[in-house]
Amino acid sequence: GESVGLHLPTLSVQEGDNSIINCAYSNSASDYFIWYKQESGKGPQFIIDIRSNMDKRQGQRVTVLLNKTVKHLSLQIAATQPGDSAVYFCAENIPGNQFYFGTGTSLTVIP
Amino acid sequence: GAVVSQHPSWVICKSGTSVKIECRSLDFQATTMFWYRQFPKQSLMLMATSNEGSKATYEQGVEKDKFLINHASLTLSTLTVTSAHPEDSSFYICSARDPGPRRAYEQYFGPGTRLTVT
Repeated sequence: GESVGLHLPTLSVQEGDNSIINCAYSNSASDYFIWYKQESGKGPQFIIDIRSNMDKRQGQRVTVLLNKTVKHLSLQIAATQPGDSAVYFCAENIPGNQFYFGTGTSLTVIP
Repeated sequence: GAVVSQHPSWVICKSGTSVKIECRSLDFQATTMFWYRQFPKQSLMLMATSNEGSKATYEQGVEKDKFLINHASLTLSTLTVTSAHPEDSSFYICSARDPGPRRAYEQYFGPGTRLTVT
């Protein structure tokens, strides 16, 4: 499969600070990307998506940036809250309707 | 939003037995469902793509005879882990794609099933 992760990077931020989570994807043909949040013992939850014809998309407190030149995706969370503590995955859609998940980043918010 | 359920949420079985996990789309019809497995502190790994009314497409390295997938209706896909071994212990997650015209790319995930093989 694509972008198979092995070990989970971690990120710790102070409550109220902004968080930036990065993701490198592998397939230049990927045309759609999604960020998911996964809390312990639960399935992934959709956060925000972006199509490959866009560079930036904003949601509520979250922004996704896409750099196709270097195949890089980032998720910015503004004013991070304790409830944001979770593992965050990016997923790329490869034409042919398959999704592959990135390594994931474990975010810990320090009160 | 669309809801996907999984049953059971947690199962313990003995080595050598088979376990069936169900994935249901509750408020939409899903022609395509996906099965993932996830080990602790690792990412989701796509196991197979399940298409209603046809055979599943397995990812490289996934044994189709061990992980039997049936997608008999537009709202139900099942994953059967046959002759389970302790190394099959994992978190299994399904997702379903809503084929609606504005949701062609969206996947909705189930809550996952924790399988422990003793």
